Amino acid sequence: GAVVSQHPSWVICKSGTSVKIECRSLDFQATTMFWYRQFPKQSLMLMATSNEGSKATYEQGVEKDKFLINHASLTLSTLTVTSAHPEDSSFYICSATRTDGRQNYGYTFGSGTRLTVV
Amino acid sequence: DAKTTQPTSMDCAEGRAANLPCNHSTISGNEYVYWYRQIHSQGPQYIIHGLKNNETNEMASLIITEDRKSSTLILPHATLRDTAVYYCIVSLRAKTSYDKVIFGPGTSLSVIP
Repeated sequence: GAVVSQHPSWVICKSGTSVKIECRSLDFQATTMFWYRQFPKQSLMLMATSNEGSKATYEQGVEKDKFLINHASLTLSTLTVTSAHPEDSSFYICSATRTDGRQNYGYTFGSGTRLTVV
Repeated sequence: DAKTTQPTSMDCAEGRAANLPCNHSTISGNEYVYWYRQIHSQGPQYIIHGLKNNETNEMASLIITEDRKSSTLILPHATLRDTAVYYCIVSLRAKTSYDKVIFGPGTSLSVIP
């Protein structure tokens, strides 16, 4: 089945530094990838949608200059949290989907990245 | 906003069937019903999806009402490992693109020994 690998699984960084999170589709080419953020005891909140080779579409209230998304290939999307602050500490999750124009293969989620900014 | 409403929490005795309801009264004709679950500190796991017919797989059964305004996820023999938050989602499944997936609060299922 479809597998999405997310790396790192957890990261601790100092306030003011940037952190990059990778999301890879291991056995399929992902047409679209989604990035979510989840705070403790809350549901997943969609941050942005990215399609390979084009700019990401951000949800209202999500700062595009702070959360940089790059989807340079059909198997890799990255989320960079720039100038991280303690309030950016959260669980970040990616999701990948694919279609070959004839049928769709559903949504597969990564295992998540726990970011702690100190 | 999420297009579904679910009970906040439910309990189920181990070994019994867990029936998780979901209301999606504004679902459109080309939207599918998906169910995912999330075990603490992990990414969501796909369970099952359907359009209008009932579906069954190795994990669960999905019962969709005839008017498609509600559905029920059935875990036939709940185990302690089924304790998780269960999300019911409606989303398009067009042949050439995907609708974004918006999560509601979900149902926190506790399986009790």
